[in-house]
Amino acid sequence: EDQVTQSPEALRLQEGESSSLNCSYTVSGLRGLFWYRQDPGKGPEFLFTLYSAGEEKEKERLKATLTKKESFLHITAPKPEDSATYLCAVQGEGSARQLTFGSGTQLTVLP
Amino acid sequence: GAGVSQSPRYKVAKRGQDVALRCDPISGHVSLFWYQQALGQGPEFLTYFQNEAQLDKSGLPSDRFFAERPEGSVSTLKIQRTQQEDSAVYLCASRPGTSGTEQYFGPGTRLTVT
Repeated sequence: EDQVTQSPEALRLQEGESSSLNCSYTVSGLRGLFWYRQDPGKGPEFLFTLYSAGEEKEKERLKATLTKKESFLHITAPKPEDSATYLCAVQGEGSARQLTFGSGTQLTVLP
Repeated sequence: GAGVSQSPRYKVAKRGQDVALRCDPISGHVSLFWYQQALGQGPEFLTYFQNEAQLDKSGLPSDRFFAERPEGSVSTLKIQRTQQEDSAVYLCASRPGTSGTEQYFGPGTRLTVT
């Protein structure tokens, strides 16, 4: 059974204070690891897909990295508009086609 | 272009009522998923369609839950005899192909059972 654990559950940063969110996973054959952003009252918004260990992707202030056991979402010099819940999900070879999500990290960036 | 849309956005039902939740996926997307999201948790898989075929319904919590996608586009999730534990946000997602790529989510329907 695929499992995803995210830490910390909540994170408060000052504007400009860089940090990282962690996603630990166990999966039988990784087909993809996905990062989403979710704002209150909205559906998850796709950010990145990572397929293999060592892969990195960047978008504005966000950078996602992947190892064989975990993924990190690095946030550089965050702004208040980066405040959201960040969700990590995996698709394994054993699962049909659905994503298995973690519980998310609720990020608050204070001005 | 238009994203995934869901209706209604909010639904209040009395315990025991039947509800129907609608999903309009991105045009041309083959795969469609339903997820349930409890407060403070990540989405949990309910069921999966490839075109009109329901290929996986292993996540449906009970036989009160039923989903269909008769023409391979719009999908409806129906919950019969709603219970308080059914209160959650129901998310629909679609994907252009059949595997390996990202899913695009709708805004969700927040169901409250009183």
